[in-house]
Amino acid sequence: DIQMTQSPSSLSASVGDRVTITCRASQGISNYLAWFQQKPGKAPKSLIYAASRLQSGVPSKFSGSGSGRDFTLTISSLQPEDFATYYCQQYNSYPLTFGGGTKVEIK
Amino acid sequence: EVQLLESGGGLVQPGGSLRLSCAASGFIFSNYAMSWVRQAPGKGLEWVSAISGSGDAAYYADSVKGRFTISRDNSKNRLYLQVNTLRAEDTAIYYCAKKLGTVRSAYDYWGQGNLVTVSS
Repeated sequence: DIQMTQSPSSLSASVGDRVTITCRASQGISNYLAWFQQKPGKAPKSLIYAASRLQSGVPSKFSGSGSGRDFTLTISSLQPEDFATYYCQQYNSYPLTFGGGTKVEIK
Repeated sequence: EVQLLESGGGLVQPGGSLRLSCAASGFIFSNYAMSWVRQAPGKGLEWVSAISGSGDAAYYADSVKGRFTISRDNSKNRLYLQVNTLRAEDTAIYYCAKKLGTVRSAYDYWGQGNLVTVSS
């Protein structure tokens, strides 16, 4: 199985900050990488697929990059509605696997 | 508008069974692979199972293989998860999720989730 390691597991940031979350796969997954946002008590929301492609309706302040084993999710200017937990997931091969999550909190 | 609405969860004793259902609307259901993902209380996301648009291919996490069965009825626009021999560690919110296309594509839409609690 492919292991997905996210870092950091949590971070504190201020409104307006640029935030970067990393995700590393235990083996190469090409660009079969997705990112999700989840707020407390809510279902996950799909943000990015194919490592860098924004889902429909997702604002351009979110961006993704990477290929192979190393990937990043960047939020260009953090807003109050962006405080949430973010997960990466590989869909290169079954079983699909998620990273452990990164909780973005208000500083 | 794509909508996914799960139902069928609840409280069940260890060793018991349930059938979870996901009613889909707003898209041509048979054209898209579907999946179940769960989240134990206070924990991260765990992929459970996936099924192709035609229903002829299914995939399972090792933790549920042999106990859970995914299926779909394309005439009713419904996805199912039969969960048998339930264990305490199966307690979770179960989400259905739509794929962008085939089983080897990413998710785009998620349901609101349905809680399954396994306890005596």
